[in-house]
Amino acid sequence: EVQLVESGGGLAQPGGSLRLSCAASGFSFSGNSMHWVRQAPGKGLEHVSSISNNGDSTFYANSVKGRFTISRDNSKNTLYLQMGSLRAEDMAVYYCARYRVAGYGSGSDIYGMDVWGQGTTVTVSS
Amino acid sequence: DIVMTQTPLSLSVTPGQPASISCKSSQSLLHSDGKTYLYWYLQRPGQSPQLLTYEVSNRFSGVSDRFSGSGSGTDFTLKISRVEAEDVGVYYCMQSIQLPYTFGQGTHLEIK
Repeated sequence: EVQLVESGGGLAQPGGSLRLSCAASGFSFSGNSMHWVRQAPGKGLEHVSSISNNGDSTFYANSVKGRFTISRDNSKNTLYLQMGSLRAEDMAVYYCARYRVAGYGSGSDIYGMDVWGQGTTVTVSS
Repeated sequence: DIVMTQTPLSLSVTPGQPASISCKSSQSLLHSDGKTYLYWYLQRPGQSPQLLTYEVSNRFSGVSDRFSGSGSGTDFTLKISRVEAEDVGVYYCMQSIQLPYTFGQGTHLEIK
């Protein structure tokens, strides 16, 4: 079964740090780019960060640039998000998601974020 | 960033009746590779988002044929032919032609 399981959420103080993990199973983890998407309480979805399949390329939303670091360990099939200088506005459920491309060139199928984890909740409060 | 605008933001539908959600992007989602990078997701209450359609109109594995996506360029639509109780939740469109990937505000669907 293809599965993503997030962990590491919890309570952090403003200015504090947390490290989120996303354990992947049931598919070739090293063959896919991976993403973090967050959802603040009662709000919509926000794409936070991305990493290429081999870790060479990363992306950060302006809202987290310079404070968050995405990484992956393909030998452990695990994605990470190191969160620092946390703010109240970072409080959200954080989802990891697989971005899947099947095939090559014009015959490929771009499935987008086709598998999501159950989410881990980050609370920022003093 | 590409802005995704959904309408309506809420829908109340009688079971068995159709429903339609519009999604407009601030830039064309047609890539030079000929593909259009527009996706629809459903987030049921208390659950993670789940993929409904990819590349505008392709239903994802296991998705009911009551769901259909259409559109091109900057204008897209998700249609549900006959709404059922299990369709309750928030529907989001998403673009992945340009980082950051961006989502519409979400459309809440409820059953009358």
